[in-house]
Amino acid sequence: AQKITQTQPGMFVQEKEAVTLDCTYDTSDPSYGLFWYKQPSSGEMIFLIYQGSYDQQNATEGRYSLNFQKARKSANLVISASQLGDSAMYFCAMREVLYSGGYQKVTFGTGTKLQVIP
Amino acid sequence: NAGVTQTPKFQVLKTGQSMTLQCAQDMNHNSMYWYRQDPGMGLRLIYYSASEGTTDKGEVPNGYNVSRLNKREFSLRLESAAPSQTSVYFCASRGNPYNSPLHFGNGTRLTVT
Repeated sequence: AQKITQTQPGMFVQEKEAVTLDCTYDTSDPSYGLFWYKQPSSGEMIFLIYQGSYDQQNATEGRYSLNFQKARKSANLVISASQLGDSAMYFCAMREVLYSGGYQKVTFGTGTKLQVIP
Repeated sequence: NAGVTQTPKFQVLKTGQSMTLQCAQDMNHNSMYWYRQDPGMGLRLIYYSASEGTTDKGEVPNGYNVSRLNKREFSLRLESAAPSQTSVYFCASRGNPYNSPLHFGNGTRLTVT
């Protein structure tokens, strides 16, 4: 079964509008964490935001916020006031502990390509 | 600050050749990871290392070996390269706090002909 699912291969958004990128996850680890990364066309991976499973409030970082719905196992990224520089691939990732060794494994979704239209 | 350094940036191999991808981090992180990125498949974990001297398989370990030489360095070896290993490879490291993100290197673009 997929651990992390991103169902939107591609999205378009008008400049200055808000956009939501979907992410659902599956884990039996009660103490997990969720990350979002941005990958521009230059290829580097840029960390955007983190949400822990026990965090009471949704995480926010500037124009990025995470809509965390624990019961639905979803962790959607909301980008407000989109800019042309937001055009990139966006990956959702999950940190979980593997009980066999206590290792912290980080698994990625397949990504969503966001294009911001002027 | 260097962060995570990967070498080489680009490599072309013939089928059957071997090579080692090098990765080093200067952030004193315990955990290190190797991922491969293929179109439409996101990043898939090849191997990871929770600490110096320990390694474990990820989702797609076949055809690869790793060495955690010391706390700083984590290398990935292709013993007999195959066209299916054409990909972009990323090394990453992570600190101990539960909310620590992965810090990535800039990637190695490998083509196997």
